[in-house]
Amino acid sequence: EAQVTQNPRYLITVTGKKLTVTCSQNMNHEYMSWYRQDPGLGLRQIYYSMNVEVTDKGDVPEGYKVSRKEKRNFPLILESPSPNQTSLYFCASSLSGTQGEKLFFGSGTQLSVL
Amino acid sequence: AQKVTQAQTEISVVEKEDVTLDCVYETRDTTYYLFWYKQPPSGELVFLIRRNSFDEQNEISGRYSWNFQKSTSSFNFTITASQVVDSAVYFCALSEHPSSGGSYIPTFGRGTSLIVHP
Repeated sequence: EAQVTQNPRYLITVTGKKLTVTCSQNMNHEYMSWYRQDPGLGLRQIYYSMNVEVTDKGDVPEGYKVSRKEKRNFPLILESPSPNQTSLYFCASSLSGTQGEKLFFGSGTQLSVL
Repeated sequence: AQKVTQAQTEISVVEKEDVTLDCVYETRDTTYYLFWYKQPPSGELVFLIRRNSFDEQNEISGRYSWNFQKSTSSFNFTITASQVVDSAVYFCALSEHPSSGGSYIPTFGRGTSLIVHP
């Protein structure tokens, strides 16, 4: 089954404790991206990747890191989480990212930073 | 810069009513793509439709229909005979065509929460 798998589904942590949210897709998609969803603000892109070893900032990249060492994986890293990063996070992928293809989303990670 | 406005924050209807969700966009590009996604209470995001800027034909899929009007920069979504299962947050999104081989960063509206009462 074609899917984007995100883990964990829920995560509670404390300020400053490094964490990683994993994302994997099995569709051989070139393009992957991370979004955060906050009430009243919709979805905002954090980082995206066109292919292996190619990443770029989205609209709200501060406080986040990503890596794309393999085509299927695109982890989101918060090296020193802060309470303002409490949010619902989604990973997404699409075929190439250059032709306006639809996005396939993971099931989301609800992060709470205390 | 691209922009998507969903002016309706929340809509409440009774089952079987028709409801229209508005989406107005701004872009300077002549080639772009418009989308609607649904987020039910379970939280996942589900793709509903994609339209490119050269295809102004309206689309109907069962009880769902979409009205794309370039003249008013709108891409509205109508649910006919709404059902409780239609209760969700609906997002409109816009992607501009990348130039020089670059990627696009899709812009999402803030979403409209639709509540359908039995």
